[in-house]
Amino acid sequence: EVQLVESGGGLIQPGGSLRLSCAASGFSFSTSWMHWVRQTPGKGLIWVSRINGDGTSTDYADSVKGRFTISRDNAKNTLYLQMNSLRADDTSVFHCARANSYGFDSWGQGTLVTVSS
Amino acid sequence: DIQMTQSPSSLSASVGDSVTITCRASQAISNYLNWYQQKPGKAPKFLISSASTLQSGVPSRFSGSGSGTNFTLTINNLQPEDFATYYCQQRYITPPYTFGQGTKLEI
Repeated sequence: EVQLVESGGGLIQPGGSLRLSCAASGFSFSTSWMHWVRQTPGKGLIWVSRINGDGTSTDYADSVKGRFTISRDNAKNTLYLQMNSLRADDTSVFHCARANSYGFDSWGQGTLVTVSS
Repeated sequence: DIQMTQSPSSLSASVGDSVTITCRASQAISNYLNWYQQKPGKAPKFLISSASTLQSGVPSRFSGSGSGTNFTLTINNLQPEDFATYYCQQRYITPPYTFGQGTKLEI
């Protein structure tokens, strides 16, 4: 069974940094494209970033480019999102998701990041 | 970026009803359109790919159609477990992957 479990969220002040983790199991992690998608009540689902299986290719939404870094450790079956210079409008539930050729076929339940002073 | 617009934003229905949710793309996306279902506090679930292909395990009362800019998700014979929020998502030009704002289906 595919499992994705996020962790690392919490309350952080504006300008601060946080690293999210996503522990993966039940599938071939090292060959899978992985994504971060965030969710807010007002704006719904917003794609954040993606990384290919060996970590050599990454992409970011314009809103996080230069502030967030996606990475992975295939030996630990873990996906990461390093978030710097956090802003109030980054407040979201962050989901990690596995992608197949057609869409996001597995999702984690998410971890809540609250940016507030 | 391709914008996705869903309508309605919310919808009330009863068990046994049929409902249709519409998703419109800001430009033609062929059939590169996915649908997801999300229940409160849960992860989204992949329902339909390529506008009309049901994912494994999805009941046949769900169906999708459309091409170009206009797409629909239809649920026939609504069951209690179908009350959730539904999102469309385009994969025609990515990144970014863009989602509709969601349609909340309520009893």
